[in-house]
Amino acid sequence: ETGVTQSPTHLIKTRGQQVTLRCSSQSGHNTVSWYQQALGQGPQFIFQYYREEENGRGNFPPRFSGLQFPNYSSELNVNALELDDSALYLCASSLAGGYGYTFGSGTRLTVV
Amino acid sequence: GENVEQHPSTLSVQEGDSAVIKCTYSDSASNYFPWYKQELGKRPQLIIDIRSNVGEKKDQRIAVTLNKTAKHFSLHITETQPEDSAVYFCAASILGGFQKLVFGTGTRLLVSP
Repeated sequence: ETGVTQSPTHLIKTRGQQVTLRCSSQSGHNTVSWYQQALGQGPQFIFQYYREEENGRGNFPPRFSGLQFPNYSSELNVNALELDDSALYLCASSLAGGYGYTFGSGTRLTVV
Repeated sequence: GENVEQHPSTLSVQEGDSAVIKCTYSDSASNYFPWYKQELGKRPQLIIDIRSNVGEKKDQRIAVTLNKTAKHFSLHITETQPEDSAVYFCAASILGGFQKLVFGTGTRLLVSP
């Protein structure tokens, strides 16, 4: 059984640029959730994907968008990067209903 | 929406002492309360969880208690060891429905030898 894998592990971008982060869900999991964890804070929910559709969203602007693919992997896209977007981005996969919630190791994004 | 408060923000104990971290949630519909341990630069790791139909759960040195009436839940670590040093997060969610974890602000636990 493979766990949740995220790529890249680290990324440095310039303000105004766009970024794509990737997540492969754990084998058998069909739901992917994305979280943003700023330094010294708890993870904040961005959105969740199930059956390739966004089925819930936290308090994040539309420049945060995502995709889920037929193999349940997912992407998080952030447009027009701002300095405050610097954070650890965590992906979590689970079964529908939230069973077996498992986090990946995250992508550390730095916006300069 | 759900809001989770966590205290204390930092906790320093001597090796062998007990540590208690407390959380309060606001949404009475929440029925699942996991605790995560996060070491520096690493992913949150689930250490124990409890569902609302249970008042207490124990796993070796770790236990969690839940008071649904007061909307409180707590993590208890006994016989602490230096390797217990990390940031601990509580969270709340609704299992079986739309699954969104709402996290507390974290407790930095330092266990001194």
